Amino acid sequence: DGGITQSPKYLFRKEGQNVTLSCEQNLNHDAMYWYRQDPGQGLRLIYYSQIVNDFQKGDIAEGYSVSREKKESFPLTVTSAQKNPTAFYLCASEPGQGGYGYTFGSGTRLTVV
Amino acid sequence: GEDVEQSLFLSVREGDSSVINCTYTDSSSTYLYWYKQEPGAGLQLLTYIFSNMDMKQDQRLTVLLNKKDKHLSLRIADTQTGDSAIYFCAGISGYSTLTFGKGTMLLVSP
Repeated sequence: DGGITQSPKYLFRKEGQNVTLSCEQNLNHDAMYWYRQDPGQGLRLIYYSQIVNDFQKGDIAEGYSVSREKKESFPLTVTSAQKNPTAFYLCASEPGQGGYGYTFGSGTRLTVV
Repeated sequence: GEDVEQSLFLSVREGDSSVINCTYTDSSSTYLYWYKQEPGAGLQLLTYIFSNMDMKQDQRLTVLLNKKDKHLSLRIADTQTGDSAIYFCAGISGYSTLTFGKGTMLLVSP
């Protein structure tokens, strides 16, 4: 079955460390997105990519980095510059032609210890 | 850009109808969506409506769109305990990205 897979489901990070969250899709979607979810704040866009080798900053890109070397993969790195990284991170994809809505992964919960 | 507002909480009894409301600011929004999120999970697309429609029905779900007031609602008929979740309204216009509301927590009691 086609879908979007995020790993790991839970991730613990020590302060000062970089960590990378994985997002892989086999839906042949052109566009991919990373959102951060905090209680009571809804979803906030971190980065998005509408085509391979290109990506754009979202509303809260500071302290994060991404790459899009393959159509299927859009990893997110949470750097030590992100001062409050504890959150639930959601990856999504869509065909890129608009109107279909986004397909979401099951999320990664990152906790700083 | 788009701004989407939702009430934060709704409580209903099993078997009743639930109505979740949403307002948006961008009159050029082309598609409007409803997503469901269960605890610890990703978002699941429930339904969507195109801006030239007033209503869309899909089994127990009815979406109403009032373009003049920029108001969107989701009605769930015969609400079940399994419908307890957070419901997000989202909108998109042109080639922009989806903008989400903060979500409405629906609690269904037996």
